[in-house]
Amino acid sequence: QVQLVQSGAEVKKAGSSVKVSCKTSGGTFRTYAISWVRQAPGQGLEWMGGVIPMFGTPHYARDFQGRVTITADETTSTVYMELSSLRSEDTAVYYCARVGGAEMTTIGPLSQWGQGTLVTVSS
Amino acid sequence: DIQMTQSPSSLSASLGDRVTITCRASQSISTHLNWYQHKPGRAPRLLIYAASILQSGVPSRFSGSGSGTDFTLTISSLRPEDFATYYCQQSYNTLTFGPGTRLEIK
Repeated sequence: QVQLVQSGAEVKKAGSSVKVSCKTSGGTFRTYAISWVRQAPGQGLEWMGGVIPMFGTPHYARDFQGRVTITADETTSTVYMELSSLRSEDTAVYYCARVGGAEMTTIGPLSQWGQGTLVTVSS
Repeated sequence: DIQMTQSPSSLSASLGDRVTITCRASQSISTHLNWYQHKPGRAPRLLIYAASILQSGVPSRFSGSGSGTDFTLTISSLRPEDFATYYCQQSYNTLTFGPGTRLEIK
């Protein structure tokens, strides 16, 4: 049973950065991609990017290029998402999710999800 | 980038109703289409992948169909736990979600 456990809620000032962690257990870590998806208040789901831990090279959505950094630590089976230059519109619940079924691809259905991390950006 | 649209944006229905939600892609995505259910305060749940394959553990009242640009999610007989927001997502080229369909109790 694959489980993804995320770090706790964060409150950040506009202009700063936030780093959210996602620790996985119960399955193969290095060959299954982990993606990050966010949901701002009253908005839909938005894919930010993902990484296959074995390769380490992330794949980012166009809207987040230059502001998001996704990394993986194989020693702790943890994936991190860091978002910089925070603005009020970045206030959202951030989810990590694992691509199910196919290994070695960041592009696939997201079958296991973390519990979500609320990031609040204040001015 | 591939854009996804959904209709309707919201829907009111009664217990036992048959409900259909439509999703359209801006270009052909073959059957690289997934459906999620999302309830407030919970993580999204994968219902259907590859347009029509039921994810393990998902009740058989959920079904999906379509290919190319047009897809549907059908719930054959609504139960209380089905009231939620439903999202389609293409996984043909990066990942893009549709705007969601909110399913409410009539």
